[in-house]
Amino acid sequence: ETGVTQTPRHLVMGMTNKKSLKCEQHLGHNAMYWYKQSAKKPLELMFVYNFKEQTENNSVPSRFSPECPNSSHLFLHLHTLQPEDSALYLCASSQDPGRNTGELFFGEGSRLTVL
Amino acid sequence: QKEVEQDPGPLSVPEGAIVSLNCTYSNSAFQYFMWYRQYSRKGPELLMYTYSSGNKEDGRFTAQVDKSSKYISLFIRDSQPSDSATYLCAMSNQAGTALIFGKGTTLSVSS
Repeated sequence: ETGVTQTPRHLVMGMTNKKSLKCEQHLGHNAMYWYKQSAKKPLELMFVYNFKEQTENNSVPSRFSPECPNSSHLFLHLHTLQPEDSALYLCASSQDPGRNTGELFFGEGSRLTVL
Repeated sequence: QKEVEQDPGPLSVPEGAIVSLNCTYSNSAFQYFMWYRQYSRKGPELLMYTYSSGNKEDGRFTAQVDKSSKYISLFIRDSQPSDSATYLCAMSNQAGTALIFGKGTTLSVSS
């Protein structure tokens, strides 16, 4: 167990659906991240939250909407997605992004399929 | 040119072999270099971390950074079937900036 829990582990949705991915970290970390992992592509950083404030939005389409109510919880709200959005969505946390030790703690991911 | 290049493989070796995994990069400002390991159906976990140039050894694993060539390597000695996973290199240039990942190399070690 990495201390980062993601739900659901698998999600199938139509292009008109609205769903949410949830992430919770039990490590007392201050920063949380959403990454997208597609086959044969590098991990793509989507959003960064530091002390509940969004510090980075990596040109992500508005059909992805993050929410960080506190330092332990992170959501990714999904609506009107496209089939090319099918991927593994990984949540990660770190103690302090400013230290940049690279120690990101990842959850096991939510496998999303958009029909 | 992509910032970080990594051959996705797959790479298949027999148990006991020495494995060499590599990444090249284009941004000479990168200072922090990491290797993550990702087992099937799991998230990545940090395996090795190196700052600037040089070598770092941890058990059967050795990480090398050659900044003059913009080239990093991960060596696995006496490889085991439990080493079968995808290995991702990652790097960044300064504190507070996001990690840039390679595509990952899938390694299979057969017994």
